[in-house]
Amino acid sequence: EAQVTQNPRYLITVTGKKLTVTCSQNMNHEYMSWYRQDPGLGLRQIYYSMNVEVTDKGDVPEGYKVSRKEKRNFPLILESPSPNQTSLYFCASRLQGGNTEAFFGQGTRLTVV
Amino acid sequence: GIQVEQSPPDLILQEGANSTLRCNFSDSVNNLQWFHQNPWGQLINLFYIPSGTKQNGRLSATTVATERYSLLYISSSQTTDTGVYFCAVVGWGNAGNMLTFGGGTRLMVKP
Repeated sequence: EAQVTQNPRYLITVTGKKLTVTCSQNMNHEYMSWYRQDPGLGLRQIYYSMNVEVTDKGDVPEGYKVSRKEKRNFPLILESPSPNQTSLYFCASRLQGGNTEAFFGQGTRLTVV
Repeated sequence: GIQVEQSPPDLILQEGANSTLRCNFSDSVNNLQWFHQNPWGQLINLFYIPSGTKQNGRLSATTVATERYSLLYISSSQTTDTGVYFCAVVGWGNAGNMLTFGGGTRLMVKP
């Protein structure tokens, strides 16, 4: 089954404790991205990657890191999480080009206390 | 950047009723998608529809790209249609090919 898989689905952590949210897709998509969703602010892009070893900032990259060492994986790294990073996170993938359909993972609900 | 506005923001329906959700965008697009976010938070793909009309069961969608709007029709609504419906676009010339989301329409279908 074609899918985008995120882990974990739920995470509660403490301020400053490094964490990684994994994202993997099995559709051989070149383009992958991370979004966060917050009440009243909607979905905003954090980082994106057009292919292996090619990443760039989205609208809200502060406090996040990403890497793209393999085509199928695009982990989101929070080196020192803070409470304002409490949010619902989504990973997405699609074929290269703006005119292709995007598919989203199940979401990761992160709480930083 | 491109602006995406959805209306209405909130909608309450009795089961079996029909509804039309609207998405207006401020510039030319080469990608438009409709999503349903269910009560568990998952984003479900409904339609990839940068232009034209598509139907899938009780749902259909129409995008008139030249007039910069898209419509999502829900017929014979069911309680499982409850959730938030998002329209998202990629503007022409957007170097990062970023999907820009509208604010959503929150739908509740009552039994």
